[in-house]
Order: sequence, then structure tokens, then C-alpha cells
Amino acid sequence: DTAVSQTPKYLVTQMGNDKSIKCEQNLGHDTMYWYKQDSKKFLKIMFSYNNKELIINETVPNRFSPKSPDKAHLNLHINSLELGDSAVYFCASSLLTHTGELFFGEGSRLTVL
Amino acid sequence: GQQLNQSPQSMFIQEGEDVSMNCTSSSIFNTWLWYKQDPGEGPVLLIALYKAGELTSNGRLTAQFGITRKDSFLNISASIPSDVGIYFCAGQEQGAQKLVFGQGTRLTINP
Repeated sequence: DTAVSQTPKYLVTQMGNDKSIKCEQNLGHDTMYWYKQDSKKFLKIMFSYNNKELIINETVPNRFSPKSPDKAHLNLHINSLELGDSAVYFCASSLLTHTGELFFGEGSRLTVL
Repeated sequence: GQQLNQSPQSMFIQEGEDVSMNCTSSSIFNTWLWYKQDPGEGPVLLIALYKAGELTSNGRLTAQFGITRKDSFLNISASIPSDVGIYFCAGQEQGAQKLVFGQGTRLTINP
């Protein structure tokens, strides 16, 4: 059973399009995250939700909008995609927010042409 | 903002060699963690450290939480081919909800 699953794994799209990435965790964790990994493999947090409430909102363009319908799901919608949005987006979850012990999904590789 | 400096950025070693990498921060951290990322996968937690001076092992891996709380190191003994990947340090300040990652150390092993 996959603990943190995200779909799609690969996404190729044109500039200006809108796309969504979905994430689900079956670990019973209260906190979920979206991280962006760029071509140099640098991991940067974008958003975090604790029990459906937004608790971390980094300096991210407002074209990116997270949504957490329940504590097991965290989706990421991106409007008006730009070339610089190309990256691997990782969903993660944790039982507690202060331990740093994250469980990551396999990633969604977004390529914007 | 917080920054973590991880070194080296890459390592090329022979199978069987020991490996050492470290991470330093500009601020005091309450938690240090080490993750490993295999190609096409998400990072996986290897070791978590919660106390200054703490030395923790996980099989052939050993990590330490620096006394100053501004650094940590990870050692891998007797490397094997499956150790190949990118190793990330990560840290969290007391009370902070955000985990900060280092730039990663890419480990390549020649058989």
C-alpha cells in the first residue's frame, strides 16, 4: 500500500495552461506539504496544511493554489503555467509538525513547453 | 532566511570506502535530519536527531547533532552500490513548522 501517493507522475503541458496535481496519504497524518524540487535538486517548501488549515504559505506566485478537502488529501492547482514552473513537485505528510519527519510521495514531474 | 550549507556537493568513491558529509547552518536548530533520494523517487528519512551532541546509527549510517546546534554530519561505512543517490540534510528551528533542506550531496560509487 502506497503511503503518500500523488498523480499524475508526469505532466507535459503548454505555457498558459492550467493544471492540477493530486495527493493522498493513508498514514493518518494531520499535516501535509507541497515541496518544489528544481533542476539543481534544491527542495523548497511551498505550502503546508494541518488538519485542512493552511499553516505555511511561502512566497509563491498566487497562480499556485493549494486545496485540502480533508486531512488525507492535498491538491495543488496551477494557473497560467510558465516555463519556470517546470520542476518536480513533491507531496509529503507528517504526524506532527515539529519533528521534521516527513513521508514523501514519488513526485510529479511537470514540464512546461 | 535560514540557509543550510551542505558539503560536499558530490562524491565519487570506490565500493567499500567510507563516506562523510556535513551540514552547517547560520542559525541554531532544534532538529537535524538526514534524507536519501533515489532517482525518480521522493526523499526517504534515514536518521532524525533531536538533542545536541546526539550520535545515532542506522545500520552502516551514523549521524551526529553538533554541540553548537549549528551543524550535523552523516557517515556511511563500507559503501555498497545501493548507497548511490542524493543525501539531504534538513533542519528545523525550535517551534518552527518549516523544515529547511540543504543543497544535497550526490554520491556515486564505482564498483
